[in-house]
Amino acid sequence: AQSVAQPEDQVNVAEGNPLTVKCTYSVSGNPYLFWYVQYPNRGLQFLLKYITGDNLVKGSYGFEAEFNKSQTSFHLKKPSALVSDSALYFCAVRVDTGFQKLVFGTGTRLLVSP
Amino acid sequence: ETGVTQSPTHLIKTRGQQVTLRCSSQSGHNTVSWYQQALGQGPQFIFQYYREEENGRGNFPPRFSGLQFPNYSSELNVNALELDDSALYLCASSLERGSYEQYFGPGTRLTVT
Repeated sequence: AQSVAQPEDQVNVAEGNPLTVKCTYSVSGNPYLFWYVQYPNRGLQFLLKYITGDNLVKGSYGFEAEFNKSQTSFHLKKPSALVSDSALYFCAVRVDTGFQKLVFGTGTRLLVSP
Repeated sequence: ETGVTQSPTHLIKTRGQQVTLRCSSQSGHNTVSWYQQALGQGPQFIFQYYREEENGRGNFPPRFSGLQFPNYSSELNVNALELDDSALYLCASSLERGSYEQYFGPGTRLTVT
């Protein structure tokens, strides 16, 4: 089954420091990978996607993600964290079985301290 | 904001009752997907509608059903509510059936007591 895993329930980082939120995937064929962010009482907001091409994908709000085929990873990164980045982050993979759906990880809570 | 709206924002129902949740897609989007997000979990795919037809379904029982209207707005209906149906229900619209990006609404928080 195609899936993604987020090994960390929570990531703590100080404001101004770089942050990494980890995601690994298990996919047959070419992976289509996504990162979404969820703020309290809000829906999911799209951050970025990897379809093909450059392994470093740039997205919204200064976030980027590095696709690594050999390690089957798609880690989310930001060079300098902001307190306002504190939220719940989900990695997802698109699964095509005659129709397209997103399969999400369990989420990682990012807490950025002042 | 994505332009996808959902109503109501919150809802409390009793076990055994029926509920209807509504979603208005982003303008021009003809595909809508529904997801259930239980507390502490990632969203789980329920089903997808494309041009008023069910296009695909996840591992949810038949008491979860849906509709898509000619204006591409959508409804999720759940019959015989169970306590485990308590969750945040998210709808997501896409420009086309094969589009890579899905735009999520703010969700409806359903509590079943």
